[in-house]
Amino acid sequence: ETGVTQTPRHLVMGMTNKKSLKCEQHLGHNAMYWYKQSAKKPLELMFVYSLEERVENNSVPSRFSPECPNSSHLFLHLHTLQPEDSALYLCASSPDNYRGADEKLFFGSGTQLSVL
Amino acid sequence: GDSVTQMEGPVTLSEEAFLTINCTYTATGYPSLFWYVQYPGEGLQLLLKATKADDKGSNKGFEATYRKETTSFHLEKGSVQVSDSAVYFCALTNPTGNTPLVFGKGTRLSVIA
Repeated sequence: ETGVTQTPRHLVMGMTNKKSLKCEQHLGHNAMYWYKQSAKKPLELMFVYSLEERVENNSVPSRFSPECPNSSHLFLHLHTLQPEDSALYLCASSPDNYRGADEKLFFGSGTQLSVL
Repeated sequence: GDSVTQMEGPVTLSEEAFLTINCTYTATGYPSLFWYVQYPGEGLQLLLKATKADDKGSNKGFEATYRKETTSFHLEKGSVQVSDSAVYFCALTNPTGNTPLVFGKGTRLSVIA
């Protein structure tokens, strides 16, 4: 158990649905991240929040909308997704943002998303 | 930009075999290097790290040495176990560029009894 909890573990949705992924951390960390994990591709950083402010958005399509209401919770709102968006979505947290040599990420188990 | 290249998997080994997973990197300055491991059904966990040239990171019998001359950080273990079956990710972060972790594609390891 890493201290980062993601729900749901699995999600199947149609292209016209709206759903949300939830991430919660009880580690007292200040930074939270969304990553996308697809087969045979590097882990893709999607969003970074530091102290509840978005500090990075890596050219992610607007059909993905993050929300960070407080430093313990992070959401990823999904709408009108495409089949190619099917992937494992991982949430992570770290004590601080961009600490370089000291950086250590704590990952959740991910949400396996299938878009039909 | 900074990048990491790892050997393609999957890698299948018998128990007690020697493991090497190759990782090379491209980065400006002096990055820190990491190996993360993802066990089935779980998120990634930090396995080991090295922050400067010639440093050796080690954990759970795994080792990797930061080789600046060959820009490599190969992961090794002398005798693998079935419980080592997982996906292994090489990663770097660059304090010079103040960038977050950059990951490779991951290498799946299957160890059979």
